[in-house]
Amino acid sequence: EAGVVQSPRYKIIEKKQPVAFWCNPISGHNTLYWYLQNLGQGPELLIRYENEEAVDDSQLPKDRFSAERLKGVDSTLKIQPAELGDSAVYLCASSSRDRGDNEQFFGPGTRLTVL
Amino acid sequence: ELKVEQNPLFLSMQEGKNYTIYCNYSTTSDRLYWYRQDPGKSLESLFVLLSNGAVKQEGRLMASLDTKARLSTLHITAAVHDLSATYFCAVPQYSGNTGKLIFGQGTTLQVKP
Repeated sequence: EAGVVQSPRYKIIEKKQPVAFWCNPISGHNTLYWYLQNLGQGPELLIRYENEEAVDDSQLPKDRFSAERLKGVDSTLKIQPAELGDSAVYLCASSSRDRGDNEQFFGPGTRLTVL
Repeated sequence: ELKVEQNPLFLSMQEGKNYTIYCNYSTTSDRLYWYRQDPGKSLESLFVLLSNGAVKQEGRLMASLDTKARLSTLHITAAVHDLSATYFCAVPQYSGNTGKLIFGQGTTLQVKP
């Protein structure tokens, strides 16, 4: 079974530029999560999708961040414009309701550096 | 608001020694997850603990859950260098819910030969 795929793995941009991250979850996983991980800390949820519906986006800074999950499969997270404080690792995870344990599986992450 | 706290945050130990990492959480939860993260890598699922008294073992690692005490432990037996990594525990924000996980700060384990 293929894992969660994310791209790009690394991105370096200048502040005020836009940036987008892409995630392909494990096949059949209906729930998709975007987490932010700052250096030396645990991940923090930005947004959670159930199929194509965003069911928890309370932690997403909506003035500059946006996300979409078209057709309930792949997802894109966008930042526009990026700020210096956005430098972090952006992790995508997915889970399946068919699994009683609701275990979340994480992708390799995108490491963003804003200069 | 759910808070998850791990201790210690950093652990340096000799190969062959035993040690325990503790994970405390502040509100009721019936499940807890342990993840491992190597430097520059993503999170790898280690254990899923789904009930009070649950105990799971994989190699030199053993995890347990006491939901009444709101405490999970990750015990390391006869540590080896390959176990060097950062370990996170995580608890669902709402008991039994499939949603948001609240992570601890992580415990960085360094095993010295």
